[in-house]
Amino acid sequence: NAGVTQTPKFRVLKTGQSMTLLCAQDMNHEYMYWYRQDPGMGLRLIHYSVGEGTTAKGEVPDGYNVSRLKKQNFLLGLESAAPSQTSVYFCASSYGGQRALPTYEQYFGPGTRLTVT
Amino acid sequence: GEDVEQSLFLSVREGDSSVINCTYTDSSSTYLYWYKQEPGAGLQLLTYIFSNMDMKQDQRLTVLLNKKDKHLSLRIADTQTGDSAIYFCAEKGGGYQKVTFGTGTKLQVIP
Repeated sequence: NAGVTQTPKFRVLKTGQSMTLLCAQDMNHEYMYWYRQDPGMGLRLIHYSVGEGTTAKGEVPDGYNVSRLKKQNFLLGLESAAPSQTSVYFCASSYGGQRALPTYEQYFGPGTRLTVT
Repeated sequence: GEDVEQSLFLSVREGDSSVINCTYTDSSSTYLYWYKQEPGAGLQLLTYIFSNMDMKQDQRLTVLLNKKDKHLSLRIADTQTGDSAIYFCAEKGGGYQKVTFGTGTKLQVIP
């Protein structure tokens, strides 16, 4: 099993450009999450999904959109990138419901380092 | 909303014990976690404790929970250079599986 994979690993964008980050998981997890990690801020939840075709806003959703057309994929889009979106982006996934017991563990991808100039 | 706080940095000598501390605000927390992030990698669950427990031991790791003070700690005995990483405290309340992560504590182990 590859677990959670993220594409690309690194990207540099100019202000105003758009891009899509792809997250894929092969563990048949129901839940998927996008976080950003900034120095001194820890991980902050951007958007999450509790199943195919569903998405919901997290703590810091502004400037991002997401889609979950297939259960195994969760896409994060930046329509018009801003320097404030320079960050490391992590995707995670987990089981839902009873299958999440006993730990409700989240499984993380390796991250995408995005720089917006 | 929920908040989880940690100090940002800890430095210890190889062979000593490390203690990483965390405070949280959500009184309805049901699970508390320690995740480990090695350089250039994503987070991995290291250990967890249910909110009705005071202590959990797992080989070199000891987790202590003071629910009254909303304080969680992770003790690593005989710290090794391979323990150098960022350690995230996290908590999960009731309801859906939202987990709130702390800022992370960077542990530096000096040989």
